[in-house]
Amino acid sequence: EVVLTQSPGILSLSPGERATLSCRASQSVSTNLAWYQQRPGQAPRLLIYAASARATGIPDRFTGSGSGTDFTLTISRLEPEDFAVYSCQQYGSSPPLTFGGGTKVEMK
Amino acid sequence: EVRLEESGGGLVQPGGSLRLSCATFELSFSDHYMDWVRQAPGKGLEWVGRIRDRAGAYTTEYAASVKGRFTISRDDSKRSLFLQMNSLKTDDTAVYYCASHGGLLSAGKLFDFWGQGTLVTVSS
Repeated sequence: EVVLTQSPGILSLSPGERATLSCRASQSVSTNLAWYQQRPGQAPRLLIYAASARATGIPDRFTGSGSGTDFTLTISRLEPEDFAVYSCQQYGSSPPLTFGGGTKVEMK
Repeated sequence: EVRLEESGGGLVQPGGSLRLSCATFELSFSDHYMDWVRQAPGKGLEWVGRIRDRAGAYTTEYAASVKGRFTISRDDSKRSLFLQMNSLKTDDTAVYYCASHGGLLSAGKLFDFWGQGTLVTVSS
């Protein structure tokens, strides 16, 4: 099973700042990695797939990068609605599909 | 607009059983793989299992943590997905989401569509 480790656990930033989130896989998943956003009380929403492709309707301030074992989600300028929990998910080695533990982006 | 709606959650004692349902709307249900994903309180997402579509012979896969205790089924005529949970443990306490993919190529890989979840609490 591929273990995904996300860091940091919590990121405290202000609106307009840049957020950089990390996801590390225990073995290579190539570019078979997705990112989800989850606002409080809501279901996850797909943001990024294939490591760097934006899902339909996702604004271009969200950028995914990486391959193999190291991945990054960058939010260029945080909007108020971006404060949420972000989770990575791999589908390069499944089953099982696995998720990271999440990074909470909170308002400073 | 695609919509998924889970139901059937609640409080159950350890060792008990519960059956969750997921009704789908505006989804070409018969052509979609359907998955269950859960999230324990304050924890990350955990994939529970999957049932493929008719073309995939309705085959199922499960996470090791639930294999032998949980069973996923579907009724294409009712566009509904089910999760039968037996021998429940306190560790099974979580919000359970049904989820599915968008395009054909993302079947079994990505989740474009999610329900709002139903809470299952296993406690004495």
